[in-house]
Amino acid sequence: DQQVKQNSPSLSVQEGRISILNCDYTNSMFDYFLWYKKYPAEGPTFLISISSIKDKNEDGRFTVFLNKSAKHLSLHIVPSQPGDSAVYFCAASALPNTGKLIFGQGTTLQVKP
Amino acid sequence: DTGVSQDPRHKITKRGQNVTFRCDPISEHNRLYWYRQTLGQGPEFLTYFQNEAQLEKSRLLSDRFSAERPKGSFSTLEIQRTEQGDSAMYLCASSLAEYYEQYFGPGTRLTVT
Repeated sequence: DQQVKQNSPSLSVQEGRISILNCDYTNSMFDYFLWYKKYPAEGPTFLISISSIKDKNEDGRFTVFLNKSAKHLSLHIVPSQPGDSAVYFCAASALPNTGKLIFGQGTTLQVKP
Repeated sequence: DTGVSQDPRHKITKRGQNVTFRCDPISEHNRLYWYRQTLGQGPEFLTYFQNEAQLEKSRLLSDRFSAERPKGSFSTLEIQRTEQGDSAMYLCASSLAEYYEQYFGPGTRLTVT
């Protein structure tokens, strides 16, 4: 069963606009969430994370929002830049920190100049 | 620090052959993980080590797969009697045990013909 789901395979936005990538999860034991960015022929790169005790975490142009009651998180990128074009994965880790991350299927973001 | 490195980057092998991949983690990281990624999917957890100890193995890791981390530094992943279904990107990641964030290498792309 897919415990972490990214239901949008792709997203296209104009440069300078906001990109919103969504992620849903089913396991209420997940306590920490992460976003990774992946360029072709490279491994995933850690972007930003959030603990389940928070509802928002911000790092520069990137903000992650967590809605525990809805089991939903989102990544906002403002303003979007062409260099942000990549595949974005959300991932979750369960209590205790077992080391295992459960990834969604990914969303391909294209930022058009 | 040069980050996580993996060798080789690409491997083409014939069905039935054995292959071995190597991962060198970030030097101060005591945890090392192996994931597998197929087209259109997110990385799937295979196994992880804390120092030399292999603490968890996924049911994806059949008897043909074995991983080692003999001195708590680099790790090897061996696949015996490869099958076409083993064709995938094999990703290695490392972290400190007290942190959730994992840092990935560039991956080894395996093609079984």
